[in-house]
Amino acid sequence: NAGVTQTPKFQVLKTGQSMTLQCAQDMNHEYMSWYRQDPGMGLRLIHYSVGAGITDQGEVPNGYNVSRSTTEDFPLRLLSAAPSQTSVYFCASSLKTSGRADNEQFFGPGTRLTVL
Amino acid sequence: GENVEQHPSTLSVQEGDSAVIKCTYSDSASNYFPWYKQELGKGPQLIIDIRSNVGEKKDQRIAVTLNKTAKHFSLHITETQPEDSAVYFCAAPRVAGTALIFGKGTTLSVSS
Repeated sequence: NAGVTQTPKFQVLKTGQSMTLQCAQDMNHEYMSWYRQDPGMGLRLIHYSVGAGITDQGEVPNGYNVSRSTTEDFPLRLLSAAPSQTSVYFCASSLKTSGRADNEQFFGPGTRLTVL
Repeated sequence: GENVEQHPSTLSVQEGDSAVIKCTYSDSASNYFPWYKQELGKGPQLIIDIRSNVGEKKDQRIAVTLNKTAKHFSLHITETQPEDSAVYFCAAPRVAGTALIFGKGTTLSVSS
């Protein structure tokens, strides 16, 4: 199994540009999430999904869109990039359990995004 | 709102010493408390977790303790080694949804 994969590893954007961060998992996990990591802030939840066709907002959703058309893929779209979105982005997946995140989450290697 | 507080933010120890990182949480219904280790340039990886029906769990040199009454849990690393140097995160399930809420992390440095 490849686990959780993310592309690209690095990206530089100009303010106002749009792009999609890709995330895929081959473990047949129902739950998937996107987090951003900023110095001194820990990992903050952007959006999450409990299965294909179902997504919801986390703590910091503004400026980001997601969709979940398949179990495997969970892309994150930046609609109009801003310097405040400069961050490291992590995708994670886990098995469906009780409806809360009470099982191991597997993280991808991250995408380092810089917005100029 | 729900919150996970983690202390200290940085911790420096000598090789062979013990290291302790503490977290408190706000949601009394939380039942799962994982600890993640993040090495430079990589994603976080689960190192140990504990569920609310036990008070302590050990895995070789690492252990986690849980006090549900006080709503805090701790990570203990004994006989630290340079390869233990990393950022450690505690977490708890979010009240709503299927993701975690994380502490802000502890940077552990083990010097030889």
